[in-house]
Amino acid sequence: GAVVSQHPSWVICKSGTSVKIECRSLDFQATTMFWYRQFPKQSLMLMATSNEGSKATYEQGVEKDKFLINHASLTLSTLTVTSAHPEDSSFYICSASQGGYEQYFGPGTRLTVT
Amino acid sequence: AQTVTQSQPEMSVQEAETVTLSCTYDTSENNYYLFWYKQPPSRQMILVIRQEAYKQQNATENRFSVNFQKAAKSFSLKISDSQLGDTAMYFCAFMIRAGNMLTFGGGTRLMVKP
Repeated sequence: GAVVSQHPSWVICKSGTSVKIECRSLDFQATTMFWYRQFPKQSLMLMATSNEGSKATYEQGVEKDKFLINHASLTLSTLTVTSAHPEDSSFYICSASQGGYEQYFGPGTRLTVT
Repeated sequence: AQTVTQSQPEMSVQEAETVTLSCTYDTSENNYYLFWYKQPPSRQMILVIRQEAYKQQNATENRFSVNFQKAAKSFSLKISDSQLGDTAMYFCAFMIRAGNMLTFGGGTRLMVKP
């Protein structure tokens, strides 16, 4: 149990376009979902926290107009990178929580902006 | 704000031997959770072990054990009988309370040599 999926696993997009990444909890309802960003050989940095039906809470330095997060249901959160640029190329990881200490991680999405 | 520090960017160990990864953290809270996560080349985050701060007994999961020193704010991971499959990035993480975000350390890259 407690499986989180992400789609797509790898996406290449042209500079200036937008790309949407989905994070789904497959067998449980997630009250909170977290979005992390990981650069090569670096740690995970929290971008934002989203609760179902509420606006996401963004970490300092994360542009909320650039990284749009929607948590429309208890099983789905989406991250949309708007007007992507090469510096947005990174590995994006979501995790889901049922409110306990356990966080269930998705497999990640590699974004390459050309 | 909480911070997590891993002072060993890279470590190596011979197969079947024991290795200890270090982690220190800073918080003014008395109750919290500490974790060790493994990130293999697939980049899927895998929970290795968890420790609740209110528990004095060190957590153990098969070959993995922790040395939790609350006063010193230290949380090291010991891997016994190292296996080739243990080769991965290891992240120490802090959670202030259940359902909240994780704060990660910078990671330690562990290489298990045959």
